[in-house]
Amino acid sequence: GENVEQHPSTLSVQEGDSAVIKCTYSDSASNYFPWYKQELGKGPQLIIDIRSNVGEKKDQRIAVTLNKTAKHFSLHITETQPEDSAVYFCAAVSGGSYIPTFGRGTSLIVHP
Amino acid sequence: DAGITQSPRYKITETGRQVTLMCHQTWSHSYMFWYRQDLGHGLRLIYYSAAADITDKGEVPDGYVVSRSKTENFPLTLESATRSQTSVYFCASSLEGVSSYNEQFFGPGTRLTVL
Repeated sequence: GENVEQHPSTLSVQEGDSAVIKCTYSDSASNYFPWYKQELGKGPQLIIDIRSNVGEKKDQRIAVTLNKTAKHFSLHITETQPEDSAVYFCAAVSGGSYIPTFGRGTSLIVHP
Repeated sequence: DAGITQSPRYKITETGRQVTLMCHQTWSHSYMFWYRQDLGHGLRLIYYSAAADITDKGEVPDGYVVSRSKTENFPLTLESATRSQTSVYFCASSLEGVSSYNEQFFGPGTRLTVL
């Protein structure tokens, strides 16, 4: 089955800095890669996603890149703000199963 | 629009007791999922259901039972709770299987403590 590795487990940055979270996947059949943000006491919420036929996608301060050859994808947050502090999960979805496999999460802390 | 709800939000029980966590969604989504979240393990899939009366095991199904007699409800039962089942449980749903066309939505979670 699919295996998703996510790094780092904790990331601490100063307000205004950039943050990068990296994930790798194992199943070459995976073709959809969503990213979720989980605020304290809440369920995860989709913030951005990318399909396997796209190399990069941006939405304001967040962007996701995908390298299919290397089987890795990354989340980039620019100009971080304290409200970006949360746990972020990457996931990979195989076109055959449509069931996400999640990484272990990254706790992002943005210091004012 | 209530969306996806879970009850109870917090539960304390004792080892050996049966516990049922409820999940209800108002969107008529076909797919529903149960995950557990533990520190260092992220989100692990317990069971999922593609439609009423269809359920499948996920990564960590042992000790859990699910049913889906109605599309909108997907209860998770711990038949004999163990301390290792202390966790935060999330229910989720999607219109069809998760893809770029079908977003997965999560409930607010149930924090379960087994003493």
